[in-house]
Amino acid sequence: DGGITQSPKYLFRKEGQNVTLSCEQNLNHDAMYWYRQDPGQGLRLIYYSQIVNDFQKGDIAEGYSVSREKKESFPLTVTSAQKNPTAFYLCASRPPLLNQPQHFGDGTRLSIL
Amino acid sequence: KQEVTQIPAALSVPEGENLVLNCSFTDSAIYNLQWFRQDPGKGLTSLLLIQSSQREQTSGRLNASLDKSSGRSTLYIAASQPGDSATYLCAVGIVETSGSRLTFGEGTQLTVNP
Repeated sequence: DGGITQSPKYLFRKEGQNVTLSCEQNLNHDAMYWYRQDPGQGLRLIYYSQIVNDFQKGDIAEGYSVSREKKESFPLTVTSAQKNPTAFYLCASRPPLLNQPQHFGDGTRLSIL
Repeated sequence: KQEVTQIPAALSVPEGENLVLNCSFTDSAIYNLQWFRQDPGKGLTSLLLIQSSQREQTSGRLNASLDKSSGRSTLYIAASQPGDSATYLCAVGIVETSGSRLTFGEGTQLTVNP
């Protein structure tokens, strides 16, 4: 079955450390997205990519970086500049037609040690 | 800037009750509105998508309406069941020069009691 795989499910970060969250999709979608979700809140857009080798900042990009070297992969790095990284991170992809829903992975929960 | 608000933030009902979740948005320049379900610690599952030219969509016991001019959408759940307990998120689709994206509300946490 096609879908989105996020790994790891749980991740712990030490102070001053960069960590990378993996997102892989086998849906052949061009567009991919990273969201952050804090307890009791909705999703906020961090970065998105409409095509390979191109990506755009979302609403809360500071302290994060991404790359899009392959269509199926869109990793997110949480840098040491992100002072409050504890959150639930969700990756999504969108089919080619605008009026089709986004597909989501099962998320990565990041905590500070 | 587009803002999406969902009311109520939490709702607890007895099994079998019909209920309505509300979503409002500030900018009517949207290309669709989507309702998602989220179970604890999980990703989002798409429930219904309403294109900007449509007024409503139905799937089983779920019905979603869209009034773009007033910036409102409702999700109606008929004959609620304990398995409907989850967080329901509303999102509007917008197109910017850099591409298309969704803006989410903060969700309504629904509990259906047996």
